[in-house]
Amino acid sequence: DIHMTQSPSTLSASVGDRVTITCRASQSINSWLAWYQQKPGKAPKVLIYKVSSPESGVPSRFSGSGSGTEFTLTISSLQPDDFATYYCQQYDSYPFTFGPGTTVDIK
Amino acid sequence: EFQLLESGGGLVQPGGSLRLSCVASGFTFSTYAMAWVRQAPGKGLEWVSAIGGRTTGTRYAESVKGRFTISRDNSKNTLYLQMDSLRVEDTGIYYCAKGGLGFAYDPWGQGTLVTVSS
Repeated sequence: DIHMTQSPSTLSASVGDRVTITCRASQSINSWLAWYQQKPGKAPKVLIYKVSSPESGVPSRFSGSGSGTEFTLTISSLQPDDFATYYCQQYDSYPFTFGPGTTVDIK
Repeated sequence: EFQLLESGGGLVQPGGSLRLSCVASGFTFSTYAMAWVRQAPGKGLEWVSAIGGRTTGTRYAESVKGRFTISRDNSKNTLYLQMDSLRVEDTGIYYCAKGGLGFAYDPWGQGTLVTVSS
């Protein structure tokens, strides 16, 4: 199975900050990497798919990059609506696996 | 608009069974792979099971293999998860989602809560 890790596990930031979350896969996942945002009591929502393609309607401040086994999600200027938990997921091979999540909270 | 609506969750004793349903609308259900993902209270996301579109090939997490069965009825636009021999550690919110190999999960349903407790 492909193991996914994320860092940091928690990130305290202020509105307007640039935020970067890192996701690592235990082996190559051929760019089949997605990022999801989840708010308390809500279902996850896809932000980025195939490493760097934004889902329709996602604000341009969200971007994804990376290759091979190391990937990043960047929020260029954190907004109040962005305080949430973010998960990466590989969908290259079964079982699909998620990272443990990164919670972005208010500094 | 793509939409998924789960139902069937509830309180069940250890060793018991439940069947979850997920009704899809807004897209051609039969052409898409579907999946179940769960989230234990206060924990992260755990992939549970997936099924192909027309081919209906199935996959399971090791933690549920032999106890859970995923299926679909394309004539009813409905995805199912039959859960047998339930354990306390199966407690959580169960989400259905559209997606599979090469496709991120989008959309997700609102989730249905399964509580396994005596």
